[in-house]
Amino acid sequence: SQTIHQWPATLVQPVGSPLSLECTVEGTSNPNLYWYRQAAGRGLQLLFYSIGIGQISSEVPQNLSASRPQDRQFILSSKKLLLSDSGFYLCAWSGGDGQPQHFGDGTRLSIL
Amino acid sequence: AQSVTQLGSHVSVSEGALVLLRCNYSSSVPPYLFWYVQYPNQGLQLLLKYTTGATLVKGINGFEAEFKKSETSFHLTKPSAHMSDAAEYFCAVSSGSARQLTFGSGTQLTVLP
Repeated sequence: SQTIHQWPATLVQPVGSPLSLECTVEGTSNPNLYWYRQAAGRGLQLLFYSIGIGQISSEVPQNLSASRPQDRQFILSSKKLLLSDSGFYLCAWSGGDGQPQHFGDGTRLSIL
Repeated sequence: AQSVTQLGSHVSVSEGALVLLRCNYSSSVPPYLFWYVQYPNQGLQLLLKYTTGATLVKGINGFEAEFKKSETSFHLTKPSAHMSDAAEYFCAVSSGSARQLTFGSGTQLTVLP
């Protein structure tokens, strides 16, 4: 069966520090991969999605970036975090057209 | 472009009462529709989905939803609420080449004893 792993579960970082969140999927190949952010009291905002290695589409201009160095690995990064980057970050994967997205357990990011 | 509107950011029901969470969507292509549930500090869990075929879809935990094209709605129902149903519920519509999801703003369901 397929599983998705996100880490770390929680992270506290100072303003201006770098960020790297990792997401890996097991049990499937060539998945579509997604990064979402959920701010407090708000819905989910799609940040990036990827349909293949090295193929990244950005939905929202920001100081975050994403990379897909391997088929089942998706990384969310920042060179310098802002206070507004605080939130709950969720990684998801799907198997293709018509298939639902399956979510990881999320990373709670707090910026001080 | 697609969008999702969830009417009521907070819904309270008594244990054993009917649960009705409303979702309306707009989509320029035939939509795929989903309901997800989120418990505190957890990821989203798929409740049910509509892609094609039967418009009444059944999901986990006794939930079901009906796709009504004429009303552009996909409301979520459950005949009898349990305390364990208390959570946040998200409706989502899928479209685009990578089938990106657009989520509604969520409905927080409270179940009263």
